[in-house]
Amino acid sequence: GAGVSQTPSNKVTEKGKYVELRCDPISGHTALYWYRQSLGQGPEFLIYFQGTGAADDSGLPNDRFFAVRPEGSVSTLKIQRTERGDSAVYLCASSSEAGGWGGYTFGSGTRLTVV
Amino acid sequence: AQSVAQPEDQVNVAEGNPLTVKCTYSVSGNPYLFWYVQYPNRGLQFLLKYITGDNLVKGSYGFEAEFNKSQTSFHLKKPSALVSDSALYFCAVRTSGGSYIPTFGRGTSLIVHP
Repeated sequence: GAGVSQTPSNKVTEKGKYVELRCDPISGHTALYWYRQSLGQGPEFLIYFQGTGAADDSGLPNDRFFAVRPEGSVSTLKIQRTERGDSAVYLCASSSEAGGWGGYTFGSGTRLTVV
Repeated sequence: AQSVAQPEDQVNVAEGNPLTVKCTYSVSGNPYLFWYVQYPNRGLQFLLKYITGDNLVKGSYGFEAEFNKSQTSFHLKKPSALVSDSALYFCAVRTSGGSYIPTFGRGTSLIVHP
């Protein structure tokens, strides 16, 4: 596609529920990143994929968070037993090379609200 | 470890005046530096990057940034601000080796007054 697409744009869920957030990167981009942005803060790194594998998942806050990228393109971020503290904008970015020398293209994000 | 500091939460400037948004960084090794802009309810848009070469980098919408290795800074500048430049600006850094993960600053809100 022309840009990085994230769906849904908004998600409201009840505490304790399971949610999935989808990211469709630019076609051909091998590197994919998930970030979380809380109000008034910069993006915080969650996980980085190179191809199908998670090259770095050191930013995932706990084992309720998991992400997959089974075919090396679309990625899904999964959050189990959601908590109110998970409320944030979840951003996805992709780049055409592992090093990101060309810059990173971001999607518009999914705003997750846990009530 | 790598980190970015944006010391100003907010910068106010009059339209037509020059603007500067400050960024300092800390990395092991050589830095790759980036500036992004975020408009309300939108994702981050790439403005410019420094990888190597000329210390003065020119980017989108008339913005430029100067890499200063001795001061570990990468300040964003524009000679003449527009009201439409009002947005959140994020500086990011990653090391040239090792981790491919960019670290972002907290952001600076730029407000350009008519």
